[in-house]
Amino acid sequence: AQTVTQSQPEMSVQEAETVTLSCTYDTSESDYYLFWYKQPPSRQMILVIRQEAYKQQNATENRFSVNFQKAAKSFSLKISDSQLGDAAMYFCAYLKGAQKLVFGQGTRLTINP
Amino acid sequence: NAGVTQTPKFRVLKTGQSMTLLCAQDMNHEYMYWYRQDPGMGLRLIHYSVGEGTTAKGEVPDGYNVSRLKKQNFLLGLESAAPSQTSVYFCASSSNLAKNIQYFGAGTRLSVL
Repeated sequence: AQTVTQSQPEMSVQEAETVTLSCTYDTSESDYYLFWYKQPPSRQMILVIRQEAYKQQNATENRFSVNFQKAAKSFSLKISDSQLGDAAMYFCAYLKGAQKLVFGQGTRLTINP
Repeated sequence: NAGVTQTPKFRVLKTGQSMTLLCAQDMNHEYMYWYRQDPGMGLRLIHYSVGEGTTAKGEVPDGYNVSRLKKQNFLLGLESAAPSQTSVYFCASSSNLAKNIQYFGAGTRLSVL
């Protein structure tokens, strides 16, 4: 069974600085998708960024980028120029096919002004 | 843009009571999902549907039933609520054309006393 592990329960960063959230996963598949979701206090799950496993190029969305290391089964999220609105729980997730997302335990990110 | 709408937003039940959570999406998506989120954990899949009239079990289906009589609606039922079902429930949907992106509702906080 696929598993997703986020080893950092909490992280904090100064406003305008850069922070990296870690995620590792376990799978025997070669074709899959990886995601980072953000969950602010409102509880809404917001898609931050996604990566297709067959693409070697790391995904980027504005201030958010990933470091995808397929052989190491590692998928970290880098947030540049951190803003107060980035404060939230961040979940790493794995998906194979259309059936289910497997989520990590989450990392709570605090932004210090 | 409504997207995925969940009702109710909050509910308190007594042990043994029954209730139905409603999920409605206006994006004409084929796939719909029900997840639960417990404290300190990521979301776990309860049941899902790949089309109108179909349902399938996810990771934690026990104690729940679902129905997808209309394409836009996905109902989650608790026949006899238990304290272990206290959780936040999320509905999500995705398109057949872009199965890897799931759009989430705002969640329902359920307490079973």
